[in-house]
Parts: sequence; C-alpha cells; structure tokens
Amino acid sequence: NAGVTQTPKFQVLKTGQSMTLQCAQDMNHEYMSWYRQDPGMGLRLIHYSVGAGITDQGEVPNGYNVSRSTTEDFPLRLLSAAPSQTSVYFCASSYSLGWGETQYFGPGTRLLVL
Amino acid sequence: TQLLEQSPQFLSIQEGENLTVYCNSSSVFSSLQWYRQEPGEGPVLLVTVVTGGEVKKLKRLTFQFGDARKDSSLHITAAQPGDTGLYLCAGATAAGNKLTFGGGTRVLVKP
Repeated sequence: NAGVTQTPKFQVLKTGQSMTLQCAQDMNHEYMSWYRQDPGMGLRLIHYSVGAGITDQGEVPNGYNVSRSTTEDFPLRLLSAAPSQTSVYFCASSYSLGWGETQYFGPGTRLLVL
Repeated sequence: TQLLEQSPQFLSIQEGENLTVYCNSSSVFSSLQWYRQEPGEGPVLLVTVVTGGEVKKLKRLTFQFGDARKDSSLHITAAQPGDTGLYLCAGATAAGNKLTFGGGTRVLVKP
C-alpha cells in the first residue's frame, strides 16, 4: 500500500492564482481531512469528510473548497491564493474518527504564495 | 472551540536526561493521541489513550491521560538524539468528527 499520497510536494503561487492540492489514499478509509501547519500553531483543521459525497468545515475553512467524489480522493482547492495561505498542508485519513482511530498523514505540500 | 495547550514550546536537553511534555485543556476528550513529526514529514502516531488515569509505556516513553480526561503528559526517560522531533497531542470528542491538535513541543536532544 502507498498509504496517503499528496501532490505536489512544493508549489509557488502568485496572489490571486488558484490551484488544487491532491490527496489520495489506498486504505479504503472513510474519514479524510486537510490540515495546515504554521510555526508554533500545530495543525489546524481546514475541511474533513466522513465518506464519499459528505464534507464539512473545520476550524479554518475560509478560502478553501473540497469535494469527495470517491473514497480514495480528497482534493483541496484554493480559489484565489493569498499570502496568508502560505503554509504546509497535510492530508490525513483514517477508518473513522471514533475513539482514537489512527490518523495516517501524507508527506505534506509546502505552499508559498507571493 | 476546544483548545489544547502544550508546554513547553521548546525543550533542549543533553542525551541521557529525562523530559516531560504537557498537554492541557479545559475540555473533556474521549481520546487523546500523541504524534511525533520529523522535518519534512507528516506526523506519525505514537499512542492513543482513552481511559481517565490510563498510563501507557512505549519503550522509554510513558504517556498518561488525566483522571478527568482533560490533560495528558509524555515523559521520555534517558532521551536519545533519535527522540529529537516535534511532539503533538491531539484530542477527539465523543461527538466525534474533529481532531484538535495542540501547538506542539519541539524537542532537541543533543549528543
């Protein structure tokens, strides 16, 4: 199994550009989520999904969209990039979120918005 | 909003010393997890605790969940350079669809 994969690994955008961060998992996990990590702030939840066709907002959803058309894929879209979105983005998946299921994280995408 | 506060934010010690990292909240969690993250990689789960007062040991690492399930600690005995990394705690509520992370503790173990 490849686990959780993310592409690209690194991206530079100009303010106002849009892009999609890709995330895929091959473990048949129902739960997937996106986090951003900024220095000293741990991981903050952007959006999550409890299954195909179901998504919900996390702690910091503004400026980001998600969709979940398949169990395997959970792309994160930046509609109009802003410098404040410069961060490292992690995708994670788990069988569920009940009672401490293990979250499996991807390697991250480093995004720089100029 | 449930907040998890970790302390200290940064810890630098010599090889062989002991260290403790704390994770505190005013909220009750159904489970609490500890992750370790190395530079350029995603976090990796170390342990999950679910019962108030629970103590789990993983080699030189000891994890404790508070009786009220609001706080947790990670203790490393005789730290080694390989223990260097960012340690993150994360809590889940019984309602369950969100995992809240603490701000992290960066640990540096010098040889």
